[in-house]
Amino acid sequence: AQKVTQAQTEISVVEKEDVTLDCVYETRDTTYYLFWYKQPPSGELVFLIRRNSFDEQNEISGRYSWNFQKSTSSFNFTITASQVVDSAVYFCALSEARSGAGSYQLTFGKGTKLSVIP
Amino acid sequence: EAQVTQNPRYLITVTGKKLTVTCSQNMNHEYMSWYRQDPGLGLRQIYYSMNVEVTDKGDVPEGYKVSRKEKRNFPLILESPSPNQTSLYFCASSSFTGTGGDVKGYTFGSGTRLTVV
Repeated sequence: AQKVTQAQTEISVVEKEDVTLDCVYETRDTTYYLFWYKQPPSGELVFLIRRNSFDEQNEISGRYSWNFQKSTSSFNFTITASQVVDSAVYFCALSEARSGAGSYQLTFGKGTKLSVIP
Repeated sequence: EAQVTQNPRYLITVTGKKLTVTCSQNMNHEYMSWYRQDPGLGLRQIYYSMNVEVTDKGDVPEGYKVSRKEKRNFPLILESPSPNQTSLYFCASSSFTGTGGDVKGYTFGSGTRLTVV
């Protein structure tokens, strides 16, 4: 069965600090997809990134960057120069791409609540 | 605008009174799914649908029903709601290219906050 672990329940940083959110996953499949979502206080889930298991390139998007390492089954997310608007709960998620029961099910970690203090 | 629309956003109801939460997507996605989010438990899948007339249970299906008569709609039905179904519910849809195919990503609705008293 697939599993996603976000060991950090809550993190507080001061504005402009860098912060890394950890994500470790477990899957028996060779083909899978990893995601990060942001949930601001308003409650909606905002898609941030999707990565497939064959693409281990790190990605940078503005102040956001992601480090995918299959060897350690980790998909960590770094926010550089954090801002108050980054305060939210961040979820890492995993989807296995296969047929049968549970197909394409998106399994979420429990989330990391990030508070950026001005 | 590509989106998943859930209604209502907020709902307070009484135990045992049947209710339906609607979900509609305008992206022609094959895959649709319902999740509930609870403090300390995260997001858990209730039901999913791979296409019209194809639905299956997720991790926490008890007390819920779904139907997929049209590609765009995937309503969640609580025939006899109970207080333990008080939760934040999300509908999601995704496109994929079939067995082992590429998952394009999931689009979520804005959520429905349900309170059962």
